[in-house]
Amino acid sequence: EVQLLESGGGLVQPGGSLRLSCAASGFTFDNYAMNWVRQAPGKGLEWVSAISGSGSKTYYADSVKGRFTISRDNSKNTLYLQMNSLGAEDTAVYYCAKGPYSGTGDYFDYWGQGTLVTVSS
Amino acid sequence: SYELTQPPSVSVSPGQTASITCSGDKLGDKYACWYQQKPGQSPLLVIYQDTKRPSGIPERFSGSTSGNTATLTISGTQALDEADYYCQAWDSGTYLVFGGGTKLTVL
Repeated sequence: EVQLLESGGGLVQPGGSLRLSCAASGFTFDNYAMNWVRQAPGKGLEWVSAISGSGSKTYYADSVKGRFTISRDNSKNTLYLQMNSLGAEDTAVYYCAKGPYSGTGDYFDYWGQGTLVTVSS
Repeated sequence: SYELTQPPSVSVSPGQTASITCSGDKLGDKYACWYQQKPGQSPLLVIYQDTKRPSGIPERFSGSTSGNTATLTISGTQALDEADYYCQAWDSGTYLVFGGGTKLTVL
């Protein structure tokens, strides 16, 4: 059974940093691209970032480019999102989502339960 | 940047057919997929690559595309289908993009 378990969310001040983690199990982790998708309170879904199965290719939404860094440790079956220079607009539930292939793009076939990030003073 | 447009809300009576549209420039040249999200839950993939249903998704969910519009159709809609539905596609410029979401109400 595929399981994705996010952690690392919490309250952070504007301008601060936070690192999210997503522990994966139930599939061969390095065979699949992984993504971060966020959802602001009461709003729709927004794709944030993607990383290929090997970790060699990364992609970012314009809204986070230069501030967020996606990475993965295939030896630990774990996906990360380093978030810097956080602003109120980054307040959201952050979901870890699995892609159907090693390459990025297409769709998300499994999602985690999400972790809430709140940016506020 | 690439955009997908969905109606904010759709209403349907139990047992009837609900159709939710998603429009975007040259969407017919891309693959579209659909997610269902119930309150307090994570999104669930219900249609991928325009028309395919993941294992475990009821047959009453179907997808189609025509021109610049993708459509999610729910036949024999049930009360438990009440949820927010999001379309999503991949674009070479914007990369992965979601529609704004459609709230399906089963009256």
